[in-house]
Amino acid sequence: GDSVTQMEGPVTLSEEAFLTINCTYTATGYPSLFWYVQYPGEGLQLLLKATKADDKGSNKGFEATYRKETTSFHLEKGSVQVSDSAVYFCALSGRMDSSYKLIFGSGTRLLVRP
Amino acid sequence: EPEVTQTPSHQVTQMGQEVILRCVPISNHLYFYWYRQILGQKVEFLVSFYNNEISEKSEIFDDQFSVERPDGSNFTLKIRSTKLEDSAMYFCASSEAPPASSYNSPLHFGNGTRLTVT
Repeated sequence: GDSVTQMEGPVTLSEEAFLTINCTYTATGYPSLFWYVQYPGEGLQLLLKATKADDKGSNKGFEATYRKETTSFHLEKGSVQVSDSAVYFCALSGRMDSSYKLIFGSGTRLLVRP
Repeated sequence: EPEVTQTPSHQVTQMGQEVILRCVPISNHLYFYWYRQILGQKVEFLVSFYNNEISEKSEIFDDQFSVERPDGSNFTLKIRSTKLEDSAMYFCASSEAPPASSYNSPLHFGNGTRLTVT
């Protein structure tokens, strides 16, 4: 079945460092891909999405490119801030309009030190 | 900005007891969901609900689980006879359209209810 694999955390970086969180997926067809973020004590928030191959999703300095050839959707940010400390979840959903569910990865905790 | 609210934030119950988790989705949303996250594990889909009926459910969502939209605002998840392995964070979510639709309709999640079964 469809699945998402993320790199294990925690990822610990100094402020202004470059961030990459790897995400690969297995799916039939061409899924939509998402990154969600969970700040401490809060729910999951959509960070960015991409719905077809070669699309780049971006938001708040984060970006991820839908790579069909490598089945990947890695999250990147050029310069992280302490406020980016959170858990990041990669997710996919099927392409059919009747698909109602998101399939999540296990999440990657990011800790940014001043 | 409108948000999904969940109550309570933490629920402790004894094994075998019934528990109801409550959610108030965003008012103009039509699709409602429950997800759960066992500590240290993945966020897992449980069920989706549209037009007053279940539209999709996972293998986890067995006969012990049920959902209801008793009025125009609340969306509840009931576990009839809780087991130790039901201990998890339960997230409610809502959206205007299914996540796979071409319409830009992200899922909005609540802050979750932490269920502890003792």
